[in-house]
Amino acid sequence: DGGITQSPKYLFRKEGQNVTLSCEQNLNHDAMYWYRQDPGQGLRLIYYSQIVNDFQKGDIAEGYSVSREKKESFPLTVTSAQKNPTAFYLCASSIRGGQYSYEQYFGPGTRLTVT
Amino acid sequence: AQKVTQAQTEISVVEKEDVTLDCVYETRDTTYYLFWYKQPPSGELVFLIRRNSFDEQNEISGRYSWNFQKSTSSFNFTITASQVVDSAVYFCALSEERMDSSYKLIFGSGTRLLVRP
Repeated sequence: DGGITQSPKYLFRKEGQNVTLSCEQNLNHDAMYWYRQDPGQGLRLIYYSQIVNDFQKGDIAEGYSVSREKKESFPLTVTSAQKNPTAFYLCASSIRGGQYSYEQYFGPGTRLTVT
Repeated sequence: AQKVTQAQTEISVVEKEDVTLDCVYETRDTTYYLFWYKQPPSGELVFLIRRNSFDEQNEISGRYSWNFQKSTSSFNFTITASQVVDSAVYFCALSEERMDSSYKLIFGSGTRLLVRP
C-alpha cells in the first residue's frame, strides 16, 4: 500500500534533549512537508522540501532542523532550542511543490511530549 | 495577507441531520486553490477536495457537497444526512504561492463536528 508512515506514534522526551521524528513515503512524491498542530489550532508549516538535498524554512522553523538525503525520507529534529516542543507533528507529501498546487497527503502524526 | 477563517469552533448535530461548515478566506491572488481536509480522532488528515479559483461550480460527492462563491470569498462544506463516522475536525485551507514558486497551505483553525446517534 502506498502512503506516508511516521514513527513513533507517541514520543516522550526530557527537556534539553534533541529528538528526531521519522517520516517516510512510498508515493514517489517530490515534495515533503512538516507541520505542527497545537490543540484547537490549525496546522503551521515548519519546513518543506521540493526536491532531494533541498529544503526551505516554513513559518515556524526556529528550533527545528531537517534533512532530505533520500526522496522517500524527510526526518525532523526537534532541538533543545525549541522553546515549546510539545505538540502533534504531521508530515505530508505532494506530487511536486512548484508550478501547481497539488493536494498534500498526510501521515498519521507523532505526538511529542517534552517534560 | 492570506487568511482562512472557520468561525464555527464546534458543531453538534444528531445523526441524519444536515450540517454546513463555513469557510471564509482572504487572498490577493487571482489564482488560488482551496481545500477541505478531515481529521478523525486518529489524527491523520484526509484530503477531501481541491477547488481552483476559476471553477465556481458546486461539487457533490455522495453525502458531501461544496459551495464555492468568489463574491463572498466562501467555500462552505455541507454534509447531508450526517453519520456518527463523520465526527471529526474539518479544516479548510487556502494555497499561497511562495517566492520560490512552491505552494504553501494556509489552514483555518478547524471546526470540530460531533454527530450524536
